[in-house]
Amino acid sequence: GAVVSQHPSWVICKSGTSVKIECRSLDFQATTMFWYRQFPKQSLMLMATSNEGSKATYEQGVEKDKFLINHASLTLSTLTVTSAHPEDSSFYICSARGRDPSLGTQYFGPGTRLTVL
Amino acid sequence: DAKTTQPPSMDCAEGRAANLPCNHSTISGNEYVYWYRQIHSQGPQYIIHGLKNNETNEMASLIITEDRKSSTLILPHATLRDTAVYYCIVRVSGNTPLVFGKGTRLSVIA
Repeated sequence: GAVVSQHPSWVICKSGTSVKIECRSLDFQATTMFWYRQFPKQSLMLMATSNEGSKATYEQGVEKDKFLINHASLTLSTLTVTSAHPEDSSFYICSARGRDPSLGTQYFGPGTRLTVL
Repeated sequence: DAKTTQPPSMDCAEGRAANLPCNHSTISGNEYVYWYRQIHSQGPQYIIHGLKNNETNEMASLIITEDRKSSTLILPHATLRDTAVYYCIVRVSGNTPLVFGKGTRLSVIA
C-alpha cells in the first residue's frame, strides 16, 4: 500500500517552454501533497505544500508564479514549471500524506528528472 | 533547518548489521523520529518511525535512547541493495512536512 506515482519520469525541454509533472496517490487519498526538488549531490529541498482544494503554500525563495501547483483532487497534484530555464534543471519529487494526520507518514514518488536545454 | 546530526558516510560489510546513529538533542516531547532512505536517482523510501519506544518492522529496528536525544537505525543483515543515503528526521506528527538534512551515505561492501 501507500504508492505514489509520478509522470513523466524524465523530461527534456527547450528553454522558455512549460513543463507539467503529475503526482498521483494510487491506493490512498492524499489530503496533503508536497513538492521537493533535489540538485545533484544535495539533499531534498521542500518547495511547497498543498492541501486538496486550496492554494499551495510555498517555501521562502520559491516563486509561486513560476512553479504552479494544483491539487484538484485527493489523488492528483500537478506541478507546472513555467518558462523553464536551464537553472530549473533538477530532480523533482512529490510526496503525499493520507487523511489521518496522526499517522504523519509521507510517501514519496519516484521523482521526475527535468533537463532544460 | 534540520534538527538532526548524522555522520556523512559509513561502510558496512554485506551480511553484517548496519547501525546508523542520529543525534537529535533538541527534540521536543511531541516530536517523532522518522527514518527514510534514498537509493540513487529514486524518491525517498519510508523505513520506520518512533516516539520513545523502540520499534521494529520488516525492514529495520529503531532504538531511541531514554532521554530521546539520540537514536540508532539498525539494518540487521545489510545487503548490497541497502546502499543508499539514510535520513533521520524529527518532526511533530500531523501537518508539518518532512525537512531533510544531509543524511548518511551507507555503502554496503561485498
